[in-house]
Amino acid sequence: QKEVEQDPGPLSVPEGAIVSLNCTYSNSAFQYFMWYRQYSRKGPELLMYTYSSGNKEDGRFTAQVDKSSKYISLFIRDSQPSDSATYLCAIRADYQLIWGAGTKLIIKP
Amino acid sequence: DAMVIQNPRYQVTQFGKPVTLSCSQTLNHNVMYWYQQKSSQAPKLLFHYYDKDFNNEADTPDNFQSRRPNTSFCFLDIRSPGLGDAAMYLCATSRDGGQGSDEQFFGPGTRLTVL
Repeated sequence: QKEVEQDPGPLSVPEGAIVSLNCTYSNSAFQYFMWYRQYSRKGPELLMYTYSSGNKEDGRFTAQVDKSSKYISLFIRDSQPSDSATYLCAIRADYQLIWGAGTKLIIKP
Repeated sequence: DAMVIQNPRYQVTQFGKPVTLSCSQTLNHNVMYWYQQKSSQAPKLLFHYYDKDFNNEADTPDNFQSRRPNTSFCFLDIRSPGLGDAAMYLCATSRDGGQGSDEQFFGPGTRLTVL
């Protein structure tokens, strides 16, 4: 079993829809959870990070962590074509980031 | 703007011909990382430097080496590239390494093609 599991997609939704992206993880000791966005042929950029359980909101983006079920989510409201990218979850383990495989998201105009 | 710069953006080499990829940063961060990312896969950490201290991942092939001559620059040397080394190579930096929410900042990557 991988430490972090993420459905690679692709996930295709119409513009304006609410998008839900998810990861599961195996180690209950993990505390810092991150979402990176990667556009084609670019490096990943940090979207949001969350410490422990709970929600964090930034504009149209909400990150959610449920430590009891080892489940992390990223919600995108009012999705735009410019949100089309690969979204990677990452979990800090000491100096390392343990990455999900990334979900390719396509927002159709 | 402070940033992470990688050169070249695209590199083509021949099977077995050594190649060097370059990364520089203006963030004055202590830690620099090299990742390999293959198509539709997560980035895979090859090694990182905390200041001058080199840390190799256990499963990084000996074919991959790195140098960090100063705070700003870090190089990835592939001594004898094989077809399986074709990938995107990402350089990243962070201020402190394993400190909680310490963010990693990524460069745009170098896409390596091996013929």
